[in-house]
Amino acid sequence: KQEVTQIPAALSVPEGENLVLNCSFTDSAIYNLQWFRQDPGKGLTSLLLIQSSQREQTSGRLNASLDKSSGRSTLYIAASQPGDSATYLCAVGANFGNEKLTFGTGTRLTIIP
Amino acid sequence: NAGVTQTPKFQVLKTGQSMTLQCAQDMNHNSMYWYRQDPGMGLRLIYYSASEGTTDKGEVPNGYNVSRLNKREFSLRLESAAPSQTSVYFCASSLTGTGFFYEQYFGPGTRLTVT
Repeated sequence: KQEVTQIPAALSVPEGENLVLNCSFTDSAIYNLQWFRQDPGKGLTSLLLIQSSQREQTSGRLNASLDKSSGRSTLYIAASQPGDSATYLCAVGANFGNEKLTFGTGTRLTIIP
Repeated sequence: NAGVTQTPKFQVLKTGQSMTLQCAQDMNHNSMYWYRQDPGMGLRLIYYSASEGTTDKGEVPNGYNVSRLNKREFSLRLESAAPSQTSVYFCASSLTGTGFFYEQYFGPGTRLTVT
């Protein structure tokens, strides 16, 4: 059974710093990996989607990398801002389709002004 | 373009009562999903529908039923609510392709409390 782990569960950094969020998964036979953002009391917003054939994706200040062989993904946030404060979730798509997403429990990020 | 909408936003039920959570999307997506989110557990898939007229079980389907009414709407029904079903429920939708995967779009959630 696929297990997705995100460590640490919470992280606080001063505004302006670059930071890395980690995601690890136990079964490397994945078809995609997605990073989401969740604000308190709200739904999830998709940030980046990496297909299994890709190594990374970039959107603005965000860069996500995928290393299937080691079962790891990282989300890099450059020049952090208070508006980046949220919970960040990663999810992996299983062998047989996008619908079988397995989520990690998330990292709650606080950017200190 | 409202994206994914869910009703109601909040609901309190007594044990044994039934209710239906409604979900609709206006993005012409063929796949729709129901998840529950519990503290420390992450999101878990309850049911999904790859296309109109088809549904399949996810990781935690017991105690739930679903209906894919048409391409836009996907409802989740609790026939006899139990306290263990207290959770936040999210509906999501996505396109589905062959050999290519699409991001999922989520609704704002329904907070359900069963007493």
